[in-house]
Amino acid sequence: DIVMTQSPDSLAVSLGERATIKCKSSQSVLYSSNNKNYLAWYQQKPGQPPKLIINWASTRESGVPERFSGSGSGTDFTLIISSLQAEDVAVYYCHQYYSTPFAFGGGTKVEIK
Amino acid sequence: EVQLVQSGAEVKKPGDSLKISCKGSGYIFSNYWIGWVRQMPGKGLEWMGVIYPGHTDTRYSPSFQGQVTISANESITTAYLRWGSLKASDTAMYYCARVAVVGPYDAFDIWGQGTMVTVS
Repeated sequence: DIVMTQSPDSLAVSLGERATIKCKSSQSVLYSSNNKNYLAWYQQKPGQPPKLIINWASTRESGVPERFSGSGSGTDFTLIISSLQAEDVAVYYCHQYYSTPFAFGGGTKVEIK
Repeated sequence: EVQLVQSGAEVKKPGDSLKISCKGSGYIFSNYWIGWVRQMPGKGLEWMGVIYPGHTDTRYSPSFQGQVTISANESITTAYLRWGSLKASDTAMYYCARVAVVGPYDAFDIWGQGTMVTVS
């Protein structure tokens, strides 16, 4: 089974500053036949279900602000919030859907410093 | 509007059986895989399994295989998660979610509001 490891567990960033979240998979989630990384990022605000913000490692979902970006390939991935806003306070999860059982990372809590 | 609406919160006793539901609307229900995700209090997301309502193909996480049953009734566009005998450790929020495209290998693009199950 693929294990997803996120770091850090939490981080506090000043408004307008950059937040960087890492996600590492125990095996590659890059499918060679289509060169796609089977990796998504979700944002979960308190009391709400998760929301898909990045799919295929780097494709921003419709309506997601441009300050959110995803990068990486194979086993190492990054979610960046380029200029943190108050509404970005949430827990962020990565998710591999390359092979079953699909798995989530443990989550990274983003707060305002 | 594409949406998944889940059944309401449940309070049960250890040993009880339970079936919670997830009704899809606004899209062709039988064409998209539906998954279930557990979130224990204060904890992260756990992938439980997925089902294809069109022909009831089902995949489970080994952690949940044999502990729960995922099913669907495409005629009423509803997916289900069932327990035969609840334990206190089943206390959690359970989310259903739609897989983004036809086929299980994609992200969850639409989520239900969650069903809180309390076993005490």
